[in-house]
Amino acid sequence: EADIYQTPRYLVIGTGKKITLECSQTMGHDKMYWYQQDPGMELHLIHYSYGVNSTEKGDLSSESTVSRIRTEHFPLTLESARPSHTSQYLCASSKSPDGGTEAFFGQGTRLTVV
Amino acid sequence: EDQVTQSPEALRLQEGESSSLNCSYTVSGLRGLFWYRQDPGKGPEFLFTLYSAGEEKEKERLKATLTKKESFLHITAPKPEDSATYLCAVSAGGTSYGKLTFGQGTILTVHP
Repeated sequence: EADIYQTPRYLVIGTGKKITLECSQTMGHDKMYWYQQDPGMELHLIHYSYGVNSTEKGDLSSESTVSRIRTEHFPLTLESARPSHTSQYLCASSKSPDGGTEAFFGQGTRLTVV
Repeated sequence: EDQVTQSPEALRLQEGESSSLNCSYTVSGLRGLFWYRQDPGKGPEFLFTLYSAGEEKEKERLKATLTKKESFLHITAPKPEDSATYLCAVSAGGTSYGKLTFGQGTILTVHP
């Protein structure tokens, strides 16, 4: 079983609020990812990191930001939430930075902005 | 640009009725092809990694195979608990270095 944790699992928040979605892994993986997934739709990469102090934007443009100060922690922040940010956010990690090994996912955070 | 296409979009089977799911891919320098299972409202659960054409992996009723252009997930004598969305993903080199690209998934429903 993968040791990667996301909190909160569910979040309902008002427009304009600042939110941080937490993601932690205890496997010592260097590579971490954030994906966005709408119901019944495919996963879209929004951010990834090769290691501490490394962050890159993914294929899907996102108003969120990320940081990687510690290997095990990869939080995602929205400065001002909007209804268009309503979605499921999935965090993942993998051992190999070149993508040659499988990624393990957390259970996701379901975000609803009202 | 890396592309992953899964078919069919949805598959309904009777319990015990074997079938296959397809994942076609176009990448520059395949580093790995991955199969995941996703239950509603949860994160994807890792199933298999395949690295080179001809490779096969098995786990219980599932068997994954790989060619130079596609991968198949064979399901033998499925049970209702195998119902889920099955996702295929690829990792490639070049400008996609280290990134995972997912297909849209196949929704599998197994009726008792």
